[in-house]
Amino acid sequence: NAGVTQTPKFQVLKTGQSMTLQCAQDMNHEYMSWYRQDPGMGLRLIHYSVGAGITDQGEVPNGYNVSRSTTEDFPLRLLSAAPSQTSVYFCASSFRQLDPILEQYFGPGTRLTVT
Amino acid sequence: GQNIDQPTEMTATEGAIVQINCTYQTSGFNGLFWYQQHAGEAPTFLSYNVLDGLEEKGRFSSFLSRSKGYSYLLLKELQMKDSASYLCAVRDRGDSNYQLIWGAGTKLIIKP
Repeated sequence: NAGVTQTPKFQVLKTGQSMTLQCAQDMNHEYMSWYRQDPGMGLRLIHYSVGAGITDQGEVPNGYNVSRSTTEDFPLRLLSAAPSQTSVYFCASSFRQLDPILEQYFGPGTRLTVT
Repeated sequence: GQNIDQPTEMTATEGAIVQINCTYQTSGFNGLFWYQQHAGEAPTFLSYNVLDGLEEKGRFSSFLSRSKGYSYLLLKELQMKDSASYLCAVRDRGDSNYQLIWGAGTKLIIKP
């Protein structure tokens, strides 16, 4: 298994540009989520999904869209990038169906800079 | 309100023991997590406590006192590879079951 994979590893965007951060897992996990991590702050949940076709907002969803058309993929879209979205983005998944938060597996992260 | 406090940085010596503290404030506690994160890498799950007491996993142990809003992660027989940030996270019963409140992390530096 490749685990949780994220592409790209690094990205530089200009203000106003759009892009999609990719996340995929080959472990047949139903639960997937997106976090951002900023210096001096804890991880913050952006969006999550408990299965294909189901998504919900986390703590900081503004400026981001997600969709979950398959179990494997959970892309994160930035519609119009802003400097405040400069961050490290982590995708995570969990095999647990009743309480997925109990043990999450994180991808390697995407380091995004918006100028 | 909700808040998590942990020291920003700690230094310890290879082979020694170190204790990383985490204090939290929530309206309804529903579990505490510890994750390890090496620089530039993803967080990896270490432990979960929901009841008071000590949970041991090899060289790592995690302790919880719900009445004091306090947890610690104890690392024994420190190795150079233990140099990493250690993240404390708490689930609040009042929030979504999928949301955690994360501390900013404690950077642990191991010296030979």
